[in-house]
Amino acid sequence: QQQVKQSPQSLIVQKGGISIINCAYENTAFDYFPWYQQFPGKGPALLIAIRPDVSEKKEGRFTISFNKSAKQFSLHIMDSQPGDSATYFCAASGVRGGGADGLTFGKGTHLIIQP
Amino acid sequence: DTAVSQTPKYLVTQMGNDKSIKCEQNLGHDTMYWYKQDSKKFLKIMFSYNNKELIINETVPNRFSPKSPDKAHLNLHINSLELGDSAVYFCASRDRGVRSYYTFGSGTRLTVV
Repeated sequence: QQQVKQSPQSLIVQKGGISIINCAYENTAFDYFPWYQQFPGKGPALLIAIRPDVSEKKEGRFTISFNKSAKQFSLHIMDSQPGDSATYFCAASGVRGGGADGLTFGKGTHLIIQP
Repeated sequence: DTAVSQTPKYLVTQMGNDKSIKCEQNLGHDTMYWYKQDSKKFLKIMFSYNNKELIINETVPNRFSPKSPDKAHLNLHINSLELGDSAVYFCASRDRGVRSYYTFGSGTRLTVV
C-alpha cells in the first residue's frame, strides 16, 4: 500500500512557467512533509518542508501548499528555469517505533524545463 | 567537508557474492538510515539505527544486515547477492531531536551480474 501518492510522473514546462507537482497521503500520523530534489548521480537534497500547522510555506521561487483536511500537499516552482530540471520527490514522516522515524517517499516526478 | 559519505560509489559484483557498503556522517546526528532506490527511482527505507539500536526494519530480506560500530557509521552488509539487489543505495542521517533535515549521501550504485 503506497502511503504517499505523487503526480504527475513526468512534467515538461517552458522556461519562466510554473511547475506544479501534487502529493496525497493516507497516514494521519504524518506530521512533516518535505520535498526533495535529485539530480542524476546525486543523493536527494532537501528543497523545502512544511508541517501541518500551516497551509503554505514559501522559500524563494518554491512554495508548498498544504491542505490538511484533504490530506494533500503540492510544490509550486515559480519562474521555472532549466537548472530546475531534476527529479522531485515528496515525502512524509511521523513518529513510529521508539520515537525515530524515516521518510516515506512518493514515486517522484521527472521535471524538464524547456529553454 | 562531506556531511554523509558513502563508499564505494560504484560496485559491480557477481551473483552469490557478499559485499559491504560503508557510510559515515560527520554531522553529529544520532539516527542513520539506509534507503534503496530502484530502477524506477522509487526510494524506500530499509533500516534505521538510533544509538546502535535497530529502530525500523522494513520488509527487507535477511541477506541484508546493517552494522553500526559507532554513532557516526552505519554499514550495510549484503550476503548472497541476487540480480534483483541491483539498485542505488543511499545512506542518510538525522538528528533525533529535530524531526527534519534528513541528510543523504550521494549513493552507491550496486550492479549484480
